[in-house]
Amino acid sequence: AQSVTQPDIHITVSEGASLELRCNYSYGATPYLFWYVQSPGQGLQLLLKYFSGDTLVQGIKGFEAEFKRSQSSFNLRKPSVHWSDAAEYFCAVGALAGGFKTIFGAGTRLFVKA
Amino acid sequence: GAGVSQSPSNKVTEKGKDVELRCDPISGHTALYWYRQSLGQGLEFLIYFQGNSAPDKSGLPSDRFSAERTGGSVSTLTIQRTQQEDSAVYLCASSSSGSGNTIYFGEGSWLTVV
Repeated sequence: AQSVTQPDIHITVSEGASLELRCNYSYGATPYLFWYVQSPGQGLQLLLKYFSGDTLVQGIKGFEAEFKRSQSSFNLRKPSVHWSDAAEYFCAVGALAGGFKTIFGAGTRLFVKA
Repeated sequence: GAGVSQSPSNKVTEKGKDVELRCDPISGHTALYWYRQSLGQGLEFLIYFQGNSAPDKSGLPSDRFSAERTGGSVSTLTIQRTQQEDSAVYLCASSSSGSGNTIYFGEGSWLTVV
């Protein structure tokens, strides 16, 4: 079975600073990896996903993530954070096992200070 | 439908009562998930349906929780003898291989047990 760890419960960055949110996964084969964002009072929105190919994937809102197999990681990055990026971010791993099951990490809450 | 539809959007119930939460997935999506998100918590996997296969119930927290999916489409999550700790947002999601196994979420059903 797959699992996901997001080591940081919350992170605070200054507006305009760079951001990296960590995600580590455990799965025996090549996983399908996702990042979702949940803004206050909003539903979950897909930011980006990795299935295969180029290990650096671009998403919406200027986010990108890099799949590093050797580190079992899929960290989310943004070069310059905007106040509107304050939200909860969830990393997820999907596995082809009797279908396709997706498991989420505990989430990282991002606070942006002026 | 165009998106995942959940009802009711809000439900307040008395401790000990049974509740039913409904999910109508995106048309054609073969996989359907239920997750639970408690206040300030991550996404807790509850149950997963894939086509006609037996559901993966490994995340259901107790035998008070059950779910069914009729006709490979609509799903109902039932919580019997509700407890205050059941208060949470219950999120339904669906996916298909045609959507790249990306899961799409509904807006959730907010359950409050008083």
